[in-house]
Formats: sequence, C-alpha cells, structure tokens
Amino acid sequence: EVQLVESGGGLIQPGGSLRLSCAASGFTVSNNYMSWVRQAPGKGLEWVSSIYNTGDTHYADSVKGRFTISRDISNNTLYLQIDSLKVEDTAVYYCARRGDGGRAFDLWGQGTVVTVSS
Amino acid sequence: DIQMTQSPSSVSASVGDRVTITCRASQGISTWLAWYQQKPGEAPKVLLYSASSLQSGVPSRFSGSGSGTDFTLTISSLQPEDFATYYCQQTNSLPVTFGPGTKVDIK
Repeated sequence: EVQLVESGGGLIQPGGSLRLSCAASGFTVSNNYMSWVRQAPGKGLEWVSSIYNTGDTHYADSVKGRFTISRDISNNTLYLQIDSLKVEDTAVYYCARRGDGGRAFDLWGQGTVVTVSS
Repeated sequence: DIQMTQSPSSVSASVGDRVTITCRASQGISTWLAWYQQKPGEAPKVLLYSASSLQSGVPSRFSGSGSGTDFTLTISSLQPEDFATYYCQQTNSLPVTFGPGTKVDIK
C-alpha cells in the first residue's frame, strides 16, 4: 500500500528541539519531491519545506535556519529536524509527496501534532 | 511571494446545490493551481491539479477552470460527503502558497 506515516510529535518547551519522521511505503522517497506542510489549530495550510529528488532543499522564511529537511534512503523515511521551537510552531505537521500531475501534493500522511508550550 | 485569496470564506448550501469557489493569485501562475478538500481531523486530499485536471478517483461533480490569476472550483451537485473546507494552492513558484480556505457547510 502506498502511504506516509508521520511520527515524532509531542509537547515541547519553547527553545526545544524535535525530529519528525515520515515513513513511506509503496514508493521511494528519494525519487520524489517531498514536502512538509503544517496547520496551526483552527488555521489554514502553510508550506514549511521541500526536498527535491536531487537533494536540493527549500524552506519557508518563517522556519529558515531553524528547520532542516532530510531523508534516509535505507529506511525510506523523510525527516524534519525542528530546533529553537517557538510557540507559533504549534501545529499539525503533515508530510506530502508531489505527484506527477501539475506539481500537486497527491499523497499525505495523517499528520503529527507538535505543541510548543511552557 | 504569491498571495492566494479565496471567496467566499464560507458558504452554506444544501445537498444538490451547485457551489462555486473562487481563488485569485496575486500574480500570474499559468495553470499551476491545485484544489484540496479537507475534513475535520483529516489530511487534505487533492481534487484537481493543473487548474482543471481531475485527480484519479475524484468524482466528476468536481471541476475546475481558470488560468493566470483567476480560478474556480465548482461542485455541480453537492453531496453529503462534500461538506468540508476547500483550499487552493499555487505551485508556480516557491514558496508554495495556499489560499485561506472556504468552508462549505450545511444550510
């Protein structure tokens, strides 16, 4: 089955760090354009970061310098390292795959919740 | 950055109604536009890509049109499972940006 499964979220204090994981099955992460998208409570969708199949990475200005996207070929997993967490980083974090059609995100995980609070 | 706006922000409709949602980009994006449906507690699901191409498995009552800066999503006959929030997304350039969403609820 083709799917994405996120993990690694939790309750963390401001200034802390987390690593989110997104395990893929049914396709190869390194052959695809993969992204992280987040959604703050009651709010809309916000693109966070992407990694191309080439390994090139891109970040939203709001997270640049604090978040790092990466992938592990051996276990077919996408990661998001989140450092220097801020209260405003509180959100559901989704990983997503860009499909072949029109650059749309055709496969999403179920999301993992990150809550930043003291 | 390309800003995306949607109208209306919410719409109340009945089963069987025709619903149209508009999305506008702050600059031209050709047809690099996708539409997503999101239900509470669930991940978004892509409905259309390239402005008007129906994603596999999506019912044909969903359709999209537009190019450049103005786009529409139309649900020809609203079904009970269509009550959700709909987002447009531009993928013309980074950063990828989403519209603020349109909530479709029961009248």
